[in-house]
Amino acid sequence: GAGVSQSPSNKVTEKGKDVELRCDPISGHTALYWYRQSLGQGLEFLIYFQGNSAPDKSGLPSDRFSAERTGGSVSTLTIQRTQQEDSAVYLCASSLVTGRNTEAFFGQGTRLTVV
Amino acid sequence: AQRVTQPEKLLSVFKGAPVELKCNYSYSGSPELFWYVQYSRQRLQLLLRHISRESIKGFTADLNKGETSFHLKKPFAQEEDSAMYYCALSGGYALNFGKGTSLLVTP
Repeated sequence: GAGVSQSPSNKVTEKGKDVELRCDPISGHTALYWYRQSLGQGLEFLIYFQGNSAPDKSGLPSDRFSAERTGGSVSTLTIQRTQQEDSAVYLCASSLVTGRNTEAFFGQGTRLTVV
Repeated sequence: AQRVTQPEKLLSVFKGAPVELKCNYSYSGSPELFWYVQYSRQRLQLLLRHISRESIKGFTADLNKGETSFHLKKPFAQEEDSAMYYCALSGGYALNFGKGTSLLVTP
């Protein structure tokens, strides 16, 4: 593919509903990351995958947030019982390998609005 | 603990003026530092990394371990440089980003 693809681009949901955000990384990239971009808060790290496993889930803000990655490729970020403070742009990134100098390639993001 | 601090939320300069975007970090090991940029309606992308010691679009950044800084500089700003700039630190696997600085270059 041309790059990291995220869907949907925009999602408006009612408070209390569950949402699923999808990320298709660049083919062959083993590492996948989720970030949250809020106004004035910069980029907040949520979770990282190496292959299908998630060695670090410490960034998930609450137990309402979960993520999985299947087949070492597509990942979904699920937010249960959404709250208004969950409104943000959710960014996915992938990199070829895990490594301290590896460039991360970002998707265009999913803008989530909880009303 | 890893931390990246960008003290300026907004920086406004005139076209042709020098620009410096500040970044300070906190990390106990040997850091790997990056600058990422997000132009309007585009996705976040890598601008430069300290290990490459490169100049991209006229921008340079020098790692100063004594001052724990990695400031981004350009001698003559252009209008197309207007964007959101993020400093990032890699201490293992994921990148830790600062809160970003919005650069506005006016004619």
